[in-house]
Amino acid sequence: RKEVEQDPGPFNVPEGATVAFNCTYSNSASQSFFWYRQDCRKEPKLLMSVYSSGNEDGRFTAQLNRASQYISLLIRDSKLSDSATYLCAVNLNTGGFKTIFGAGTRLFVKA
Amino acid sequence: EADIYQTPRYLVIGTGKKITLECSQTMGHDKMYWYQQDPGMELHLIHYSYGVNSTEKGDLSSESTVSRIRTEHFPLTLESARPSHTSQYLCASSARGGGNQPQHFGDGTRLSIL
Repeated sequence: RKEVEQDPGPFNVPEGATVAFNCTYSNSASQSFFWYRQDCRKEPKLLMSVYSSGNEDGRFTAQLNRASQYISLLIRDSKLSDSATYLCAVNLNTGGFKTIFGAGTRLFVKA
Repeated sequence: EADIYQTPRYLVIGTGKKITLECSQTMGHDKMYWYQQDPGMELHLIHYSYGVNSTEKGDLSSESTVSRIRTEHFPLTLESARPSHTSQYLCASSARGGGNQPQHFGDGTRLSIL
């Protein structure tokens, strides 16, 4: 089993829809969590950190559930420009710190 | 935008050549990383460094080597390129600060070995 797992999708949604992605992690030493966005043939870019109390940035909401060991990303009022792959990342405290990236979830927003 | 730079952006070169991919960051980050990513596929960590003179192999076996002589510079070298090395190589860095710091990526080098 992978340490960080995401539904690969693709998620095909119409403009204006609300879409949610989950990312599960297996290591209880996971300390911090992030969502990245990666456009086709580009580098991943940090979308937002995920805080314990949940956090929002415009149309994007990130939540953490430590008991069930998952993080989520909610996108409201989807735009065509939201089409991308969304990667979750987990920083583990294993003596040193290690980052594990999920394989990503592909989102297509259609007109 | 993060200040991390990779050169060249694209490289097409013949089999057997020695290649060095450059990565530099101006943020003073201690930690630097190299990833390999094929189109539509997941990131694979191939090397990382926690500071000057520190280098470690990542999760994916790679025939490349790295060095970290200066904080800002983390070059990756392939001594003899082969077609199987064709891929995108992404460099990233993160700040000191325990495990709470995200990684910032360069634009990547798209490598094609003929």
